[in-house]
Amino acid sequence: AQTVTQSQPEMSVQEAETVTLSCTYDTSESNYYLFWYKQPPSRQMILVIRQEAYKQQNATENRFSVNFQKAAKSFSLKISDSQLGDTAMYFCAFINDYKLSFGAGTTVTVRA
Amino acid sequence: NAGVTQTPKFQVLKTGQSMTLQCAQDMNHEYMSWYRQDPGMGLRLIHYSVGAGITDQGEVPNGYNVSRSTTEDFPLRLLSAAPSQTSVYFCASSYYSGANYGYTFGSGTRLTVV
Repeated sequence: AQTVTQSQPEMSVQEAETVTLSCTYDTSESNYYLFWYKQPPSRQMILVIRQEAYKQQNATENRFSVNFQKAAKSFSLKISDSQLGDTAMYFCAFINDYKLSFGAGTTVTVRA
Repeated sequence: NAGVTQTPKFQVLKTGQSMTLQCAQDMNHEYMSWYRQDPGMGLRLIHYSVGAGITDQGEVPNGYNVSRSTTEDFPLRLLSAAPSQTSVYFCASSYYSGANYGYTFGSGTRLTVV
């Protein structure tokens, strides 16, 4: 069974600053995918970034980047130049054999 | 292209009532799944299907039934609603092609059981 742990229930950041969300996971698989999803108050699940475990290079999408440490089973998300629209809950997720396993989520609040 | 359509968006049930949450996708995805979201617990897998006629249990299947008679539809049935089933429910469909996974979520159903 896969488990995903997000140890930060809430984080607050000033607009234009950087915030890092942590995520660790546990698996015995060697090839898998990791995701970060954003859930704004609208409840919609929005894919932020994806990382394939066999790729050593960290994924980036505009202001969002990850620090993927496969040996440590760590997958943190960095949001740079935070914007008010980044306020949301963020979920780390792991996929294997089509099934997604989610962490408990981190609520990020961006202050003006 | 509507993606994944979930209905209803909100529902209030009395304890013991039954109901069906509808989910339809128009992307011809083989894999569909249902999740429930509870505070502090993320999303947990209830049931999933890898194709028409094939379903299986996820992490929290008790009190729920599913069927998959067509590729497009994957309804979730609550047999006898209980307050513990108060939650937000998400349907998702997905594909796997080469090295790519793609997941599309519905907009969710907020269910309250009183």
